[in-house]
Amino acid sequence: QALLVQSGAEVKKPGASVTVSCKASGYPFTSYSLVWVRQAPGQGLEWMGWISVYLRNTNYAEELLGRVTMTTDTSTNTAYLELRSLTSDDTAVYYCARDRVPYGDENPPGSFDMWGQGTMVTVSS
Amino acid sequence: DIQMTQTPSSVSASVGDRVTITCQASHGISHYLNWYQQKPGKAPKLLIYAASNLETGVPSRFSGGGSGADFIFTISSLQPEDVATYFCQQYDKLPYTFGQGTKLEI
Repeated sequence: QALLVQSGAEVKKPGASVTVSCKASGYPFTSYSLVWVRQAPGQGLEWMGWISVYLRNTNYAEELLGRVTMTTDTSTNTAYLELRSLTSDDTAVYYCARDRVPYGDENPPGSFDMWGQGTMVTVSS
Repeated sequence: DIQMTQTPSSVSASVGDRVTITCQASHGISHYLNWYQQKPGKAPKLLIYAASNLETGVPSRFSGGGSGADFIFTISSLQPEDVATYFCQQYDKLPYTFGQGTKLEI
């Protein structure tokens, strides 16, 4: 059974950094891209960026440029999201999600069929 | 960025009712539109991809349609377990963007 399991909740002070992990199992990790999406309390969904595990390239939301880094470790089938210079506006549940089509598929990427359980990140002094 | 506008923002209906949600894109996005269901405290779940394709395992009472800038999501006969917030999402261009959500209550 394919699964994404994320790391646990974090509490950080303003200005700090946080790293959230997303461990994949049950499918060929390098064949599918991953995205990170966050959801502030009571709010909608915000796409943060995309990482191609196969190509090892990324695309980040413009408003996060300079503060965000997405990486993968193919030896452990784990993706990582690092967010720096945290403010209270970064308080949210962070999700990783897998694209439903593998790399090289004739269909375009951008639909997310498997999601992690979410990681709550709280930024508070 | 492409803006996605969902209507209504909330809806209350009865079991067995037909429920319709619309999503309008600020630019034409062909058929690159998904619908997700999110229950409280849970991750979103993909229901419909490419505007009208039902994801595997999703009940057939859910359907989607439209192309270009105007899309529709329908639940043909509302069930108690359908209480959730529903989001549309475009994937025609990066950054991928979501609608603000429609909260469905019974």
